[in-house]
Amino acid sequence: LAKTTQPISMDSYEGQEVNITCSHNNIATNDYITWYQQFPSQGPRFIIQGYKTKVTNEVASLFIPADRKSSTLSLPRVSLSDTAVYYCLVGPSGNTGKLIFGQGTTLQVKP
Amino acid sequence: GAVVSQHPSRVICKSGTSVKIECRSLDFQATTMFWYRQFPKQSLMLMATSNEGSKATYEQGVEKDKFLINHASLTLSTLTVTSAHPEDSSFYICSAAGGAKGSYNEQFFGPGTRLTVL
Repeated sequence: LAKTTQPISMDSYEGQEVNITCSHNNIATNDYITWYQQFPSQGPRFIIQGYKTKVTNEVASLFIPADRKSSTLSLPRVSLSDTAVYYCLVGPSGNTGKLIFGQGTTLQVKP
Repeated sequence: GAVVSQHPSRVICKSGTSVKIECRSLDFQATTMFWYRQFPKQSLMLMATSNEGSKATYEQGVEKDKFLINHASLTLSTLTVTSAHPEDSSFYICSAAGGAKGSYNEQFFGPGTRLTVL
């Protein structure tokens, strides 16, 4: 299973753009890259998913370079409510569908 | 996205009792459900993979006789913590994948169940 590495924590201020980078050097050809957001005592919430290049939805953008060994989640103009843990996952694993969570990045948005 | 529910949202029980947690996919048929456990300030840890109509596959180190998983239908999986002890106190989260909502590429997570064993 591809392992991911993210910064443990990040601080930002309201209104700023936040970029969280994830390394996944041994990503497999069939793996997708998915980002989840988790608030305390809640289940993870899907943010965005991509395979290559750039993906954008109403809440975030995902940038994936050609070698796919890393990815960057971009959150435009964060607010206090974006304070959460963000997980980068690659997979799923073959026919099992397993997703393995790494340590995640705790984003703290300050006023 | 799809909706996955869990019941109960929180439960407190005495040591030695068994607790059942339900995970339901409300608007799609999930061929596979996953169970995770999360301790405070830690990431989610995959416990087992549950496929409808077959035995669950447990991750290394997870006792299958202690954490009984049943996936009797495409919309319901249950996790029973048998003879619970204080060290089993944790946040249990399920996710569902497959079926009409697509392949494994996206998992839909439930809101979690907080288990406290006294």
